[in-house]
Amino acid sequence: DGGITQSPKYLFRKEGQNVTLSCEQNLNHDAMYWYRQDPGQGLRLIYYSQIVNDFQKGDIAEGYSVSREKKESFPLTVTSAQKNPTAFYLCASSSSDRLTEAFFGQGTRLTVV
Amino acid sequence: QKEVEQNSGPLSVPEGAIASLNCTYSDRVSQSFFWYRQYSGKSPELIMSIYSNGDKEDGRFTAQLNKASQYVSLLIRDSQPSDSATYLCAGDFGNEKLTFGTGTRLTIIP
Repeated sequence: DGGITQSPKYLFRKEGQNVTLSCEQNLNHDAMYWYRQDPGQGLRLIYYSQIVNDFQKGDIAEGYSVSREKKESFPLTVTSAQKNPTAFYLCASSSSDRLTEAFFGQGTRLTVV
Repeated sequence: QKEVEQNSGPLSVPEGAIASLNCTYSDRVSQSFFWYRQYSGKSPELIMSIYSNGDKEDGRFTAQLNKASQYVSLLIRDSQPSDSATYLCAGDFGNEKLTFGTGTRLTIIP
């Protein structure tokens, strides 16, 4: 089955800890994206990558880091510098000929405890 | 700043009626627009893409794009309770990423 897999589905983080959210796709898509969604709000772009070993900051990159070592994988690290990390995190991917027609994973809900 | 604006709702529509969802945008250099459906607690699902002025129909869904008026809409005919969700409008303004609106919450009343 082709698709985008995010793990874990739920994640709890203690204050001051870094956590890494996984995103894997087997759609052979070139571009991958990370969004954050807060209750009652739209999606805000954190980071995106159009090719391996290259990525760009989105609108709210502070306190986050990413890597793109493989085409299939685009993990997101939420660092302790992110002061309000509790949110729903969504990973998406798209093909190079329909760059912005994005398809989403099932999301990771991160809660700070 | 390229922005996409939607009425947050909630929008309530009787079952079987037409639901009309609207979206306006602030930048004339738009390439294409997308409508996503998001059920509570789930991730967005792409339901319609529209790349040129006019109407595009797919089953019970019709997307309408008017670039001169900077306006895009989604019509859902014969609304069903399963259509109850938040609908997100997103635009591609030629900068290789999507800009999302805040979404409109739609409730279909049986």
